[in-house]
This record gives sequence, structure tokens and C-alpha cells, in this order.
Amino acid sequence: DAGVIQSPRHEVTEMGQEVTLRCKPISGHNSLFWYRQTMMRGLELLIYFNNNVPIDDSGMPEDRFSAKMPNASFSTLKIQPSEPRDSAVYFCASCTGMVEQFFGPGTRLTVL
Amino acid sequence: AQKVTQAQTEISVVEKEDVTLDCVYETRDTTYYLFWYKQPPSGELVFLIRRNSFDEQNEISGRYSWNFQKSTSSFNFTITASQVVDSAVYFCALSEGANDMRFGAGTRLTVKP
Repeated sequence: DAGVIQSPRHEVTEMGQEVTLRCKPISGHNSLFWYRQTMMRGLELLIYFNNNVPIDDSGMPEDRFSAKMPNASFSTLKIQPSEPRDSAVYFCASCTGMVEQFFGPGTRLTVL
Repeated sequence: AQKVTQAQTEISVVEKEDVTLDCVYETRDTTYYLFWYKQPPSGELVFLIRRNSFDEQNEISGRYSWNFQKSTSSFNFTITASQVVDSAVYFCALSEGANDMRFGAGTRLTVKP
């Protein structure tokens, strides 16, 4: 199995631009999670989906952030417009049932 | 609300020393899961162990061991005979009925040669 796949691995953009992060979960996993990691706030859960349906988006910082999961094998996290304070590593993870989550390699986002 | 506390922000040891990373959790649920993850300098998050609230049996895996005590709401992680490759940030995490896993702040372990 290829594991959780995230793209791009690195993204550098300018303030105000739209940023789209992509995730392909492990085949067969029915839950998908987006996390953000910063030095100041640590690992934060942004949103998670169960069977492609958003279950809890209380961690999404503001309306500039949106996430979609159009099918079982693909999810996006979009930031529009991006701001320098959005600079962080964004992780996607997937799992099935009440077991451990498997994480992707992360996307390092830098907003200038 | 669930909460995980890793009071040790940073630990530094010399190779071959034993080291214990502390994790204290808070939950109102009787059914929950505890996890440890390792984040090496390369940045990925690596799953180490999962424990459910009904299984207090301690576990050993090579140089790694975990002590789960419900009476003190703790799930501590010990590395025996530490090695330089153990240098990483270690996260403890808690998940209740839903899949929303909450992480502690992490403990940065540095093992010096």
C-alpha cells in the first residue's frame, strides 16, 4: 500500500493567493482528517470526514479555510485568501474504525 | 472535553540511558483510546502504539515499553538503552467515541552520543 499521499509536499505562495492542498487516503479507510502543525499551537485537528461526510469542522480557523471530500479517495483543503499566519505543515491522515490514524508526509506551506 | 498533557517539553539524555516520557489525560468517557506517535526530524508522524481503556496491560516492544494506569490517568512511554536514532518529538494522543484524536503538545527527546 502506498500510504496516505499528499501533494504538494512544499508550497510557497504570496499573501492573498488561493492555496489548495490535496490528499489521497489509504484505500479502504473510511475516515479522513486534516491537521495543522505549528510551533506555537502544536498539532491541531482542523476537520474530519467519515464516509466522505464532514463530521466535525470546529477546528477550521475561519471562513478562509474550506475542505471537501468528493469521493472516498480524494480530499482537498483550500485556503482563500491565504495569509502569512497560515504558514504551517498540513497533515492528512486516514483510518478505519477506532484504530490508529496513518499520516501522510505533510505539506509545508509558506505564505509570504 | 478530552485533554492530553505532556508536561515535559524537552528531554536530553546520553546514549544508553533509559528515559520515560510522561502523558496524563483527561476524559469523561469510559471508552477511549490512547496513542503514541513519533515525529523524527524528517517530519513524518509514525504510529507507535494504541491502547484501549479496557486494556491496562503494559506492553513491551523491543526497547520500548508503555505503562497505562487508569488510576492516575497516565500512559507513560519508556525507552530503554536510548539510541541517537530515538531523537524525535513524541506525541501522546487521546480519542474518545468519535474519531477525533487530540494530541498533546509533544516532548522533544534528544539523545546525545
